[in-house]
Amino acid sequence: DTGVSQDPRHKITKRGQNVTFRCDPISEHNRLYWYRQTLGQGPEFLTYFQNEAQLEKSRLLSDRFSAERPKGSFSTLEIQRTEQGDSAMYLCASSLRDRDIHYGYTFGSGTRLTVV
Amino acid sequence: AQSVTQPDIHITVSEGASLELRCNYSYGATPYLFWYVQSPGQGLQLLLKYFSGDTLVQGIKGFEAEFKRSQSSFNLRKPSVHWSDAAEYFCAVGDFNKFYFGSGTKLNVKP
Repeated sequence: DTGVSQDPRHKITKRGQNVTFRCDPISEHNRLYWYRQTLGQGPEFLTYFQNEAQLEKSRLLSDRFSAERPKGSFSTLEIQRTEQGDSAMYLCASSLRDRDIHYGYTFGSGTRLTVV
Repeated sequence: AQSVTQPDIHITVSEGASLELRCNYSYGATPYLFWYVQSPGQGLQLLLKYFSGDTLVQGIKGFEAEFKRSQSSFNLRKPSVHWSDAAEYFCAVGDFNKFYFGSGTKLNVKP
């Protein structure tokens, strides 16, 4: 297993354009999370999936943001009409929830978005 | 409200010296506690975690952390720091569903 993969690593876009990021979790993990990290801050929770169901969304996730995990495997995060405030590192993580055991998140290397 | 405080933004230690990074949290129930490390341009790597049981937990790379319920703290320690430990360290608290991260402590190691 190669861990959590995120693509692209870097994305520069003009304000107002749409962008889409992809995350491939560890194959046996049933949970997938999206976090956003701005400079000098820790990651902030955006949303998470258990299999293909999106179970929770943060109020940080405005209506310009949408995330999917259509077959319970990879996930996409789309940002429509990007704004400069969207510039951040977008981190994906996956984990295995097995009854009462939490094995911790495994994070990908992130997608750094720059909106110009 | 849930929150995590890492009061030290930057710490510099000499190679071979001991290290303690502080983490205090506010959480409504007994939380799951984690420490992660992040090198520049990289994702976060799990150092150690605490769920229950022995309040002193051992992690990778020689790190350990102690959960003190009475102080709502989960401080990270290492007896002898190596130059390769220079990175940013994040404490996280939460439950099964999501975690709250502190703003991080950047560790600089002097030769």
